[in-house]
Amino acid sequence: GNSVTQMEGPVTLSEEAFLTINCTYTATGYPSLFWYVQYPGEGLQLLLKATKADDKGSNKGFEATYRKETTSFHLEKGSVQVSDSAVYFCALRGLSGGGADGLTFGKGTHLIIQP
Amino acid sequence: EAQVTQNPRYLITVTGKKLTVTCSQNMNHEYMSWYRQDPGLGLRQIYYSMNVEVTDKGDVPEGYKVSRKEKRNFPLILESPSPNQTSLYFCASSFTRTGRALRTEAFFGQGTRLTVV
Repeated sequence: GNSVTQMEGPVTLSEEAFLTINCTYTATGYPSLFWYVQYPGEGLQLLLKATKADDKGSNKGFEATYRKETTSFHLEKGSVQVSDSAVYFCALRGLSGGGADGLTFGKGTHLIIQP
Repeated sequence: EAQVTQNPRYLITVTGKKLTVTCSQNMNHEYMSWYRQDPGLGLRQIYYSMNVEVTDKGDVPEGYKVSRKEKRNFPLILESPSPNQTSLYFCASSFTRTGRALRTEAFFGQGTRLTVV
């Protein structure tokens, strides 16, 4: 079945540091890939997505590129801010697996940005 | 505005007292589901519904019930809550898994933090 693997953290960085959160996946076919963000006390919000190989999703300074050859979708940001502190979930949606809607989530990465 | 609305946001209850968490979406999505989020375990699916009157168990269905009488609503029912059901619950909706729909995301509610004492 499908699976998503990401570092769980917590990941602690100083403000303005470069961020990478690794995400790799296993899936049949050609899934769509997503990053969701959960700010403290809130629900999951879509951060960005990519629906085919070599697509780059971007939003709020975050970027991730769909790499089919390495089955990866790493999240990057050039200069993080304290307000980026949150839990980040990598997810995929495909034709098989994942509770009938094809959604499979990683366990989430807790990111802490210190001033 | 497209949204998934859950109520209540916070709930403290006692063991054995039946409760219902409501979920409503305004996007005409066929698919709705419930997750619980626990530290170190990520999101785990409780129940899902492919459409009206069609529901099925997810990964952790024990102790929960759902119903889908209308397309927009998908309540989660705890008939006899126990302390191990203390958790953060999320409702989500999306279009069903067909072709173009696979390129669309799931939408989540704001969450319900449940404490059972």
